[in-house]
Order: sequence, then C-alpha cells, then structure tokens
Amino acid sequence: GAVVSQHPSRVICKSGTSVKIECRSLDFQATTMFWYRQFPKQSLMLMATSNEGSKATYEQGVEKDKFLINHASLTLSTLTVTSAHPEDSSFYICSARDSTSGDTDTQYFGPGTRLTVL
Amino acid sequence: GQNIDQPTEMTATEGAIVQINCTYQTSGFNGLFWYQQHAGEAPTFLSYNVLDGLEEKGRFSSFLSRSKGYSYLLLKELQMKDSASYLCAAMDSNYQLIWGAGTKLIIKP
Repeated sequence: GAVVSQHPSRVICKSGTSVKIECRSLDFQATTMFWYRQFPKQSLMLMATSNEGSKATYEQGVEKDKFLINHASLTLSTLTVTSAHPEDSSFYICSARDSTSGDTDTQYFGPGTRLTVL
Repeated sequence: GQNIDQPTEMTATEGAIVQINCTYQTSGFNGLFWYQQHAGEAPTFLSYNVLDGLEEKGRFSSFLSRSKGYSYLLLKELQMKDSASYLCAAMDSNYQLIWGAGTKLIIKP
C-alpha cells in the first residue's frame, strides 16, 4: 500500500531556531500534500495544502512566513518552522494524495513529527 | 513490522448500527485513535483508547482490546451525515502514528 514517511520523527530545538520537517511519498507520486498540526486528543488542524511546483495554500490564521512549505518534487514536501517558539511545540502530520490514482479523496498519512521547542 | 487493517468499505442503512473493526500490530503501544474524515476536509477526532474496554460518547463508542490488538468503532442511530471515511491510527512506543487506510462508510436511506 501507499506509504508516507516523515523525518525527523522527533526534534527538540532551542527557541529562535528553525526546524525543517520532510514528508515523502515512498511508492507513489503526490502532486498534493497536506500539513496538519495536532494537539493531544484533538482533531487534526489543516495548516496548508502543498502543491508541487507552485505556492502552498495556507489556511486562515496560519502564518506563511513562519511555516515555510516547499514542494519541489512529486515525492517530497518540506515544512520549515522558522524562529520556533515554545508555543510551536506540537505534533506535525503530513498526508499525501496519489496523483496517479483515480481516487481524489483518499489521503495517506505520515507517522508524524513531534516538535519540542525549549 | 507494524501495520493496521480495517475494511475498505462498508454500507449501512440510516437508523441502523454499524461496527468498524481495526486490528493492529505495533512496536509498543501508546493508544489508538479513531478519526472521521469527510471528503475534502481534515480528519475530525472521535476517540482515543489506551486502556481495555468500551468508551461511549453519544452515538459513537470505541472499544479496545490490547491483548488482541483489536479495536472497533460503533456507530448507532446512523444518520446520512455519518457517510465518511473512518480512520484508525495506533501510536507506537516512539509516539509515531501508524495509520489504517480508512474505511469508507456509505449510509443508505
């Protein structure tokens, strides 16, 4: 089945530094990937939709200059949290749609990246 | 390896009850989540089970058996708006989520 990986799985950084999180579709191509943020026992909050070769579409309230998204290839999207602060500590999850599949609804989810900002 | 299995699709009738099963194998266990996802929307949190037993929340209930690596989501008094995909996800010892492929639930009048 379709597999999505994320790297790193967990990261601890100092306040003010930047952190890059990678999301890869391992056995399929994804023109569209999604970045979510999850608080404990809460719903996944969509942050942005990442489109290969074009700018990401951010949800209302998400700072695009703080959460930089790059989707440079059909299998890789990156989320960079710039000048991270403790309130950015969270579980970040990506998902991807299979571009070659006729199913436009199914998303394949990554295992998540736990970010802790000290 | 780690994996999760859930049925691909289920059909039920409005007003009826449906049970969506999920079996998992993980390296360690830190709980199991159920999410509901309507087409084009973000997944909505339904439940989190880490101890054995049944947890009821309105029309939705979730059950977990850690010894059997098994969970189910029970939906009662089905409504048309319950038509959605239901995702099962287990958290392993490293707090990583292992996702099922989702069960598409179709509700018929």
